[in-house]
Amino acid sequence: QKEVEQDPGPLSVPEGAIVSLNCTYSNSAFQYFMWYRQYSRKGPELLMYTYSSGNKEDGRFTAQVDKSSKYISLFIRDSQPSDSATYLCASPKRGSNYKLTFGKGTLLTVNP
Amino acid sequence: EAGVTQSPTHLIKTRGQQATLRCSPISGHTSVYWYQQALGLGLQFLLWYDEGEERNRGNFPPRFSGRQFPNYSSELNVNALELEDSALYLCASSLPGQGFYSNQPQHFGDGTRLSIL
Repeated sequence: QKEVEQDPGPLSVPEGAIVSLNCTYSNSAFQYFMWYRQYSRKGPELLMYTYSSGNKEDGRFTAQVDKSSKYISLFIRDSQPSDSATYLCASPKRGSNYKLTFGKGTLLTVNP
Repeated sequence: EAGVTQSPTHLIKTRGQQATLRCSPISGHTSVYWYQQALGLGLQFLLWYDEGEERNRGNFPPRFSGRQFPNYSSELNVNALELEDSALYLCASSLPGQGFYSNQPQHFGDGTRLSIL
């Protein structure tokens, strides 16, 4: 079992849709969670960063963490064609000396 | 504020050659990380440097090495290049963490695409 699992998609939605992106992780050594967005031929861009269970909102983006079920989600409201990218979840594992463990990424396309 | 910058953007080499990739972190960031993003494998941790010292390395052979300079910029060297080394190499930087477990988010550059012919 991979330590951080992410459905690779691809996911295609119409403009204005609510998008739900999800990851699961294998053990409680993962405490902090990040979501990155990666456009084609670019590096990952940090979108959201969260620690606690619950929701964190930033504009159209909401990150949700459920530590009891080891499940993290990113919701995008009113999706735009400019949101078309690969979304990566990541976490530094306790005891890993600061290295990030990434999911494989979900490719999202928002159609106008 | 300038982000993480990497050079060159693209590097073409042949098998057996050596490659050097460079990274300048965000001002004030002392930690530099290197990741490999190969097709179908996702982002894999390579190396972590902090205050000029190698602090951790991933599951890569010793021909992957690097260093961090006094100005916190970093270099990744790959010797005896193999075809499977073709990938996007990403550098990230962060503020100093506290203790053994960092909670400082990492910020990435746009990478160097290394192509081995």
